[in-house]
Amino acid sequence: DAGVIQSPRHEVTEMGQEVTLRCKPISGHDYLFWYRQTMMRGLELLIYFNNNVPIDDSGMPEDRFSAKMPNASFSTLKIQPSEPRDSAVYFCASTVGSNVDTQYFGPGTRLTVL
Amino acid sequence: DQQVKQNSPSLSVQEGRISILNCDYTNSMFDYFLWYKKYPAEGPTFLISISSIKDKNEDGRFTVFLNKSAKHLSLHIVPSQPGDSAVYFCAASEGYSTLTFGKGTMLLVSP
Repeated sequence: DAGVIQSPRHEVTEMGQEVTLRCKPISGHDYLFWYRQTMMRGLELLIYFNNNVPIDDSGMPEDRFSAKMPNASFSTLKIQPSEPRDSAVYFCASTVGSNVDTQYFGPGTRLTVL
Repeated sequence: DQQVKQNSPSLSVQEGRISILNCDYTNSMFDYFLWYKKYPAEGPTFLISISSIKDKNEDGRFTVFLNKSAKHLSLHIVPSQPGDSAVYFCAASEGYSTLTFGKGTMLLVSP
C-alpha cells in the first residue's frame, strides 16, 4: 500500500489567496484526521471524519477553514482567505475503527503564507 | 491550555547512553498514552503505547513508564542510536478516541 498520500508537499501563497490541501487515505480506512503542526502549539487535531461524515470540527481555528470528504478515498482542507499565521505543516492521517494506536500519517503539506 | 506538555524542546545524548524523554498531562480522564516518532519531511509514526492500568510497557530498546499520581510519563531509549535522532511526540487519549499531542521533543543522538 502507498500509505496516506498528501498533495501538494509544499505550498507557498500570498495572504488572501485560497489554499486547498488534499489527502488520499489508506484504502479501507474509515477514519480520517486533519492535523496542524506549529512550533507554538505542536500537533493539534483540526477535524476528523468517520465514513466520510465530519464527526468533530471543534479544532478548526476559524470559519476560514473548511474540510470535506466527498468519498472514502479523498478529502480536502481549504483555507479561504489565507493569512500568514496559517503557515504550518498540515498532516492527514487515517485509521480503521478509530484505533488510536494505528493512525497512519501522511508526509504532510508545508504551507507558507506570505 | 496545553493538556499534554513536553517541556524540553530538545535533548542531546551520546550514542550508547540512555535517552529519557518526559511528558506531563493535566487531564485526569486520559487513559491511554502513546509516543510517536517523526523524522524530517515525514509524518509521525507510532512507536509505543501504554494503558492507564499499567505502569510500564517495553518494546525492545524502548520503554514507557507511567506515573498516574504525578500525571507523568517518560520514554526511555536504551541504548540510544544515531538513527533514533528525531522529534518525539507524546500523545494522550480518552477512551481510545482522538489524540491530544504535546509540542514534541527533538532528540539528537551523536556518535
